[in-house]
Parts: sequence; structure tokens; C-alpha cells
Amino acid sequence: GGIITQTPKFLIGQEGQKLTLKCQQNFNHDTMYWYRQDSGKGLRLIYYSITENDLQKGDLSEGYDASREKKSSFSLTVTSAQKNEMAVFLCASSIDWSAETLYFGSGTRLTVL
Amino acid sequence: QQQVRQSPQSLTVWEGETAILNCSYENSAFDYFPWYQQFPGEGPALLISILSVSDKKEDGRFTIFFNKREKKLSLHIADSQPGDSATYFCAARVLATGGNNKLTFGQGTVLSVIP
Repeated sequence: GGIITQTPKFLIGQEGQKLTLKCQQNFNHDTMYWYRQDSGKGLRLIYYSITENDLQKGDLSEGYDASREKKSSFSLTVTSAQKNEMAVFLCASSIDWSAETLYFGSGTRLTVL
Repeated sequence: QQQVRQSPQSLTVWEGETAILNCSYENSAFDYFPWYQQFPGEGPALLISILSVSDKKEDGRFTIFFNKREKKLSLHIADSQPGDSATYFCAARVLATGGNNKLTFGQGTVLSVIP
């Protein structure tokens, strides 16, 4: 088995601030994802990385940057926090690009004051 | 535009009843449909999945019924238990070459099972 660790669990920022969320996995999976979860809107893909050194934009990438530092870690940066940016950010990994099974972390809850 | 739609938004059933969660989609190229279960404070976890070549998939109390012609599927939870109370997400994938696969999620159904 393995685990996805997201830090921090709670993140409070100021409007306009640059904020970074971190994700580590010990599954030795190739592919990692960042999703945003808003109440009533499901999960929307922000960025994903098929393998180390790869970076792909999802449907919601505007306002975010991502970095795959090594195979086990994937970071997400909110480039300028907005007042309506209150959501849960979920990191996930899958064994490969087929996306058959995603393993999720428990999320980072972002609140912008 | 929401490519994967779920209904109802919330559902309450009594313990022992069968809960039916619905999902519809627009993209005919979707080939794989997983359902994820999420408890409060946790990330979603894969519950059961089906490929578009099948019309039914069972795993214990959980059954997916799939209608490719109508682009609809449903998750049936038989003998519902209070521990089944969670949010359920229907998702869909287009199997693309070149590693560009990604899951598209519906907006979720919140299930409450009353003892």
C-alpha cells in the first residue's frame, strides 16, 4: 500500500498572495494530478503530470502553476489568491497515464481572507 | 459545459433500501466509468468501475447499470447501510493515445442513509 500526503491541511491566505500547496506520494506512481473541489461542482482538473519532468494543463489551469520536483512530489501554486478562492484542493496519483484508478490525498482546504 | 451530470444532487434513503444514483454523459468517446466514494474530510476513493463494452458490473452490494445508447449509467446500492452515507462521484475517461487520459467528474450525489 501507499499514501498521498498533502501539506498543509488548512491554508489561510490574503487576497493577492502567492500560495503553495505540496503533495507527496509513496506509491512510486508515474502520474500525479491536482484537482479543485467546490461544493456542488464536483472535481475539476487543474494540472497533471504523466511522468517526472512532464506537466500538462487541465481544464482549470488559469491562475495556477505546478511543478513536478521529482517522481514522488507535485506542487501547486496559486499565483494570486482571489477572494472567491475558497475550495479544497485534492492531489491524486495513478500508476500510469491510463487513469484507471486514482488514489487521492485528504486535501488542502484554502481560505482567502 | 458539464460533460458528466449526476442526479439527484442529494438522496436520503432508509437503512435496508436500495439507493439509486444516476449519471449521464455527452461524449460518445468516453470508454471507462468509475464511481468514487468520498467521506467528509477524506479524499475520494474508487468504489466500482465499468468499461463501455459491458452493461452491468456487480461488486457486493454495489451494481453499475450502463446504457451506451442512451449515454446513461446508474449506481445501485442494495441494502443501504448508515456507513454508506457519503458523496458519490461518477467519472468518465476517454482512452487517448499519447498519455493524454484524464477523468472528467460529475458534480456528485450526497447520500444519507437513515437508520
